[in-house]
Amino acid sequence: GAGVSQTPSNKVTEKGKYVELRCDPISGHTALYWYRQSLGQGPEFLIYFQGTGAADDSGLPNDRFFAVRPEGSVSTLKIQRTERGDSAVYLCASSSHPSTDTQYFGPGTRLTVL
Amino acid sequence: AQKVTQAQTEISVVEKEDVTLDCVYETRDTTYYLFWYKQPPSGELVFLIRRNSFDEQNEISGRYSWNFQKSTSSFNFTITASQVVDSAVYFCALSEGLGGGNKLTFGTGTQLKVEL
Repeated sequence: GAGVSQTPSNKVTEKGKYVELRCDPISGHTALYWYRQSLGQGPEFLIYFQGTGAADDSGLPNDRFFAVRPEGSVSTLKIQRTERGDSAVYLCASSSHPSTDTQYFGPGTRLTVL
Repeated sequence: AQKVTQAQTEISVVEKEDVTLDCVYETRDTTYYLFWYKQPPSGELVFLIRRNSFDEQNEISGRYSWNFQKSTSSFNFTITASQVVDSAVYFCALSEGLGGGNKLTFGTGTQLKVEL
Protein backbone atom coordinates (compact mmCIF):
# COMPACT_ATOMS: atom_id res chain seq x y z
CA GLY A 1 0.00 0.00 0.00
CA ALA A 2 0.94 3.66 -0.21
CA GLY A 3 3.27 5.01 2.43
CA VAL A 4 3.33 8.39 4.08
CA SER A 5 3.56 11.20 1.55
CA GLN A 6 4.72 14.76 2.09
CA THR A 7 4.49 17.81 -0.12
CA PRO A 8 6.35 19.75 -1.25
CA SER A 9 9.59 17.79 -1.23
CA ASN A 10 11.52 21.04 -1.20
CA LYS A 11 10.51 24.53 -0.18
CA VAL A 12 12.63 27.64 -0.44
CA THR A 13 11.29 30.79 1.13
CA GLU A 14 12.47 34.15 2.34
CA LYS A 15 12.85 35.19 5.93
CA GLY A 16 9.58 36.48 7.32
CA LYS A 17 7.32 34.54 4.95
CA TYR A 18 4.61 32.05 5.85
CA VAL A 19 4.86 28.38 4.79
CA GLU A 20 2.64 25.32 4.92
CA LEU A 21 3.90 21.75 4.78
CA ARG A 22 1.52 18.91 4.09
CA CYS A 23 1.49 15.30 5.29
CA ASP A 24 -0.73 12.50 4.03
CA PRO A 25 -0.47 9.51 6.40
CA ILE A 26 -0.89 5.84 5.64
CA SER A 27 -4.58 5.10 5.12
CA GLY A 28 -6.25 4.07 8.35
CA HIS A 29 -3.49 5.33 10.63
CA THR A 30 -5.00 7.35 13.46
CA ALA A 31 -1.78 8.68 14.97
CA LEU A 32 0.30 11.30 13.14
CA TYR A 33 3.59 12.86 14.20
CA TRP A 34 5.75 15.74 13.03
CA TYR A 35 9.49 15.82 13.58
CA ARG A 36 12.23 18.23 12.54
CA GLN A 37 15.69 17.10 11.52
CA SER A 38 18.58 19.54 11.35
CA LEU A 39 21.75 18.71 9.47
CA GLY A 40 23.79 16.05 11.22
CA GLN A 41 21.21 15.47 13.93
CA GLY A 42 18.51 12.97 14.70
CA PRO A 43 14.87 13.90 14.23
CA GLU A 44 13.30 15.92 17.05
CA PHE A 45 9.66 15.58 18.02
CA LEU A 46 7.37 18.52 17.35
CA ILE A 47 3.73 17.46 17.72
CA TYR A 48 1.50 14.38 17.84
CA PHE A 49 -2.11 14.01 16.72
CA GLN A 50 -4.53 11.32 17.73
CA GLY A 51 -7.42 11.71 15.32
CA THR A 52 -8.17 15.39 14.83
CA GLY A 53 -6.76 16.65 18.11
CA ALA A 54 -3.21 17.59 19.00
CA ALA A 55 -2.54 15.26 21.92
CA ASP A 56 0.99 16.50 22.57
CA ASP A 57 2.48 19.70 21.14
CA SER A 58 5.30 19.97 23.65
CA GLY A 59 7.94 19.91 20.93
CA LEU A 60 6.79 22.98 19.02
CA PRO A 61 9.63 25.48 19.49
CA ASN A 62 7.48 28.62 19.73
CA ASP A 63 4.15 30.11 18.77
CA ARG A 64 5.22 30.65 15.16
CA PHE A 65 4.66 26.93 14.65
CA PHE A 66 1.18 25.47 14.41
CA ALA A 67 -0.29 22.26 13.01
CA VAL A 68 -3.78 21.06 12.17
CA ARG A 69 -5.47 17.85 11.20
CA PRO A 70 -9.11 18.86 10.67
CA GLU A 71 -10.50 15.58 9.37
CA GLY A 72 -8.22 13.16 11.13
CA SER A 73 -6.22 12.30 8.04
CA VAL A 74 -4.09 14.90 6.23
CA SER A 75 -2.12 17.27 8.43
CA THR A 76 -0.60 20.66 7.72
CA LEU A 77 2.33 22.16 9.60
CA LYS A 78 2.26 25.93 9.43
CA ILE A 79 5.19 28.22 10.13
CA GLN A 80 4.69 31.97 10.41
CA ARG A 81 7.36 34.65 10.04
CA THR A 82 9.99 32.10 9.07
CA GLU A 83 13.52 32.53 10.33
CA ARG A 84 16.79 31.17 8.94
CA GLY A 85 17.00 28.84 11.95
CA ASP A 86 13.82 27.11 10.78
CA SER A 87 15.74 25.60 7.87
CA ALA A 88 15.63 21.83 8.30
CA VAL A 89 13.96 18.69 6.99
CA TYR A 90 10.45 18.32 8.37
CA LEU A 91 9.41 14.71 8.72
CA CYS A 92 5.96 13.28 9.16
CA ALA A 93 5.20 9.81 10.52
CA SER A 94 2.06 7.82 11.16
CA SER A 95 1.12 4.74 13.12
CA SER A 96 -2.02 2.67 13.41
CA HIS A 97 -2.01 2.86 17.19
CA PRO A 98 -0.37 5.66 19.16
CA SER A 99 0.97 3.64 22.04
CA THR A 100 2.00 0.34 20.67
CA ASP A 101 2.67 0.57 16.99
CA THR A 102 5.66 1.50 14.92
CA GLN A 103 5.88 4.91 13.29
CA TYR A 104 6.43 4.92 9.55
CA PHE A 105 8.04 8.01 8.10
CA GLY A 106 7.50 9.99 4.95
CA PRO A 107 10.30 11.32 2.72
CA GLY A 108 10.28 14.73 4.39
CA THR A 109 10.09 18.33 3.23
CA ARG A 110 13.38 20.18 3.03
CA LEU A 111 12.72 23.77 4.08
CA THR A 112 15.28 26.43 3.30
CA VAL A 113 14.79 29.93 4.63
CA LEU A 114 16.98 32.49 2.88
CA ALA B 1 14.00 12.64 30.83
CA GLN B 2 14.74 10.13 28.14
CA LYS B 3 18.00 10.19 26.21
CA VAL B 4 19.69 8.12 23.52
CA THR B 5 23.43 8.18 22.94
CA GLN B 6 25.14 6.95 19.81
CA ALA B 7 28.78 7.63 20.53
CA GLN B 8 30.05 6.51 17.13
CA THR B 9 29.64 9.41 14.73
CA GLU B 10 31.07 7.65 11.70
CA ILE B 11 32.29 4.13 10.95
CA SER B 12 34.07 3.00 7.80
CA VAL B 13 34.44 -0.67 6.93
CA VAL B 14 35.40 -2.73 3.93
CA GLU B 15 32.71 -4.84 2.33
CA LYS B 16 32.15 -8.22 4.01
CA GLU B 17 33.39 -7.02 7.37
CA ASP B 18 31.09 -7.26 10.36
CA VAL B 19 30.20 -4.00 12.09
CA THR B 20 28.43 -3.17 15.35
CA LEU B 21 26.63 0.10 15.98
CA ASP B 22 26.29 1.05 19.62
CA CYS B 23 23.26 2.54 21.32
CA VAL B 24 22.92 3.46 24.99
CA TYR B 25 19.68 4.82 26.40
CA GLU B 26 18.41 6.49 29.55
CA THR B 27 14.86 6.34 30.85
CA ARG B 28 13.06 6.37 34.19
CA ASP B 29 10.21 4.27 32.86
CA THR B 30 10.11 0.53 33.29
CA THR B 31 8.02 0.21 30.15
CA TYR B 32 9.50 1.49 26.90
CA TYR B 33 10.26 0.65 23.30
CA LEU B 34 13.56 0.76 21.45
CA PHE B 35 13.92 1.16 17.71
CA TRP B 36 16.48 1.22 14.94
CA TYR B 37 15.90 3.18 11.75
CA LYS B 38 18.04 3.42 8.63
CA GLN B 39 18.36 6.67 6.68
CA PRO B 40 19.97 6.10 3.27
CA PRO B 41 21.23 9.00 1.16
CA SER B 42 17.72 9.42 -0.26
CA GLY B 43 16.71 10.70 3.16
CA GLU B 44 13.70 8.59 4.06
CA LEU B 45 13.79 6.89 7.46
CA VAL B 46 13.31 3.15 7.10
CA PHE B 47 12.10 1.13 10.07
CA LEU B 48 14.31 -1.84 10.96
CA ILE B 49 13.25 -3.16 14.35
CA ARG B 50 11.22 -2.46 17.47
CA ARG B 51 11.84 -4.05 20.86
CA ASN B 52 9.84 -3.63 24.07
CA SER B 53 11.44 -3.42 27.48
CA PHE B 54 10.10 -6.78 28.58
CA ASP B 55 11.72 -8.72 25.81
CA GLU B 56 15.48 -9.06 26.11
CA GLN B 57 15.74 -11.86 23.64
CA ASN B 58 18.25 -11.12 20.92
CA GLU B 59 16.94 -11.05 17.39
CA ILE B 60 18.39 -11.97 14.04
CA SER B 61 17.01 -11.01 10.66
CA GLY B 62 19.18 -12.08 7.78
CA ARG B 63 22.50 -10.24 8.10
CA TYR B 64 21.13 -8.02 10.87
CA SER B 65 21.13 -8.84 14.56
CA TRP B 66 20.28 -6.89 17.68
CA ASN B 67 21.57 -7.30 21.23
CA PHE B 68 19.37 -5.80 23.96
CA GLN B 69 20.85 -5.67 27.47
CA LYS B 70 18.84 -3.90 30.15
CA SER B 71 21.68 -4.28 32.66
CA THR B 72 23.82 -1.90 30.59
CA SER B 73 20.93 0.03 28.98
CA SER B 74 22.21 -0.86 25.55
CA PHE B 75 20.59 -1.91 22.31
CA ASN B 76 23.38 -2.63 19.84
CA PHE B 77 22.98 -3.45 16.17
CA THR B 78 25.32 -5.72 14.22
CA ILE B 79 25.53 -6.09 10.47
CA THR B 80 27.26 -9.26 9.36
CA ALA B 81 29.13 -9.38 6.06
CA SER B 82 28.44 -5.73 5.31
CA GLN B 83 27.59 -4.60 1.80
CA VAL B 84 27.89 -1.28 0.02
CA VAL B 85 24.09 -0.96 0.10
CA ASP B 86 24.29 -0.85 3.91
CA SER B 87 25.91 2.58 3.67
CA ALA B 88 23.53 4.96 5.47
CA VAL B 89 22.97 6.80 8.71
CA TYR B 90 21.52 4.56 11.39
CA PHE B 91 19.43 5.96 14.22
CA CYS B 92 18.55 4.37 17.52
CA ALA B 93 15.37 5.69 19.16
CA LEU B 94 13.40 5.31 22.39
CA SER B 95 9.77 5.84 23.33
CA GLU B 96 8.53 5.72 26.90
CA GLY B 97 5.43 4.16 28.36
CA LEU B 98 2.36 2.61 26.86
CA GLY B 99 -0.13 5.37 27.48
CA GLY B 100 -0.55 8.12 24.96
CA GLY B 101 1.46 8.81 21.87
CA ASN B 102 4.86 7.20 21.79
CA LYS B 103 6.92 10.14 20.59
CA LEU B 104 10.39 9.03 19.69
CA THR B 105 13.63 10.35 21.11
CA PHE B 106 16.43 9.75 18.62
CA GLY B 107 20.15 9.54 19.01
CA THR B 108 22.40 11.63 16.80
CA GLY B 109 22.97 8.75 14.41
CA THR B 110 25.95 6.76 13.18
CA GLN B 111 27.11 7.25 9.61
CA LEU B 112 28.15 3.86 8.21
CA LYS B 113 30.31 3.79 5.09
CA VAL B 114 30.92 0.44 3.46
CA GLU B 115 33.60 0.50 0.80
CA LEU B 116 34.66 -2.02 -1.77
